[in-house]
Amino acid sequence: ETGVTQSPTHLIKTRGQQVTLRCSSQSGHNTVSWYQQALGQGPQFIFQYYREEENGRGNFPPRFSGLQFPNYSSELNVNALELDDSALYLCASSLGGQGGEKLFFGSGTQLSVL
Amino acid sequence: GENVEQHPSTLSVQEGDSAVIKCTYSDSASNYFPWYKQELGKGPQLIIDIRSNVGEKKDQRIAVTLNKTAKHFSLHITETQPEDSAVYFCAASKGAGNKLTFGGGTRVLVKP
Repeated sequence: ETGVTQSPTHLIKTRGQQVTLRCSSQSGHNTVSWYQQALGQGPQFIFQYYREEENGRGNFPPRFSGLQFPNYSSELNVNALELDDSALYLCASSLGGQGGEKLFFGSGTQLSVL
Repeated sequence: GENVEQHPSTLSVQEGDSAVIKCTYSDSASNYFPWYKQELGKGPQLIIDIRSNVGEKKDQRIAVTLNKTAKHFSLHITETQPEDSAVYFCAASKGAGNKLTFGGGTRVLVKP
């Protein structure tokens, strides 16, 4: 186990709704990254938060937004859900600076949009 | 941006045989190459990684090789066991603070 916890584990929403996913990083890690993994594909980078600031963003629209809190936990918010948003959403934590390239993933939140 | 391609997409081996998965990357600035194992219902688990200043790294039955000139890297699993059955992903990044770009994954099945 990596010590990265995500909630909820599963979620069903309808098109147009909004969703918030949560992540607690591994103890001592100050950086959180979010990835989207569609069925049968590799994870795709959404964005990264370092010390409560967004620190890099992938090719995702602005309706994907996030937050990082002083305790380094994080939220991913998705507005105006679309059917294609159905995927496994993975949170990964890492150290900033030296050794910070190692990412440790949680088990993910499986989001289904109907 | 970086593009990582992974082959094969599926691999079936007999228990005790070796398995090899190959990846190529496009961005010569990438300098960190991890491999992840993902079991059903779980997140990816880091199993081994290599930095661009090293050509080979080994950890028990798992080894990774890197050819910077050709921009490809490979995962080798020896003496495969049924518990090695999973989906394996290669990835590349430019180091700390940079995103990982993943390959499409290889589904490995080890037959007893």
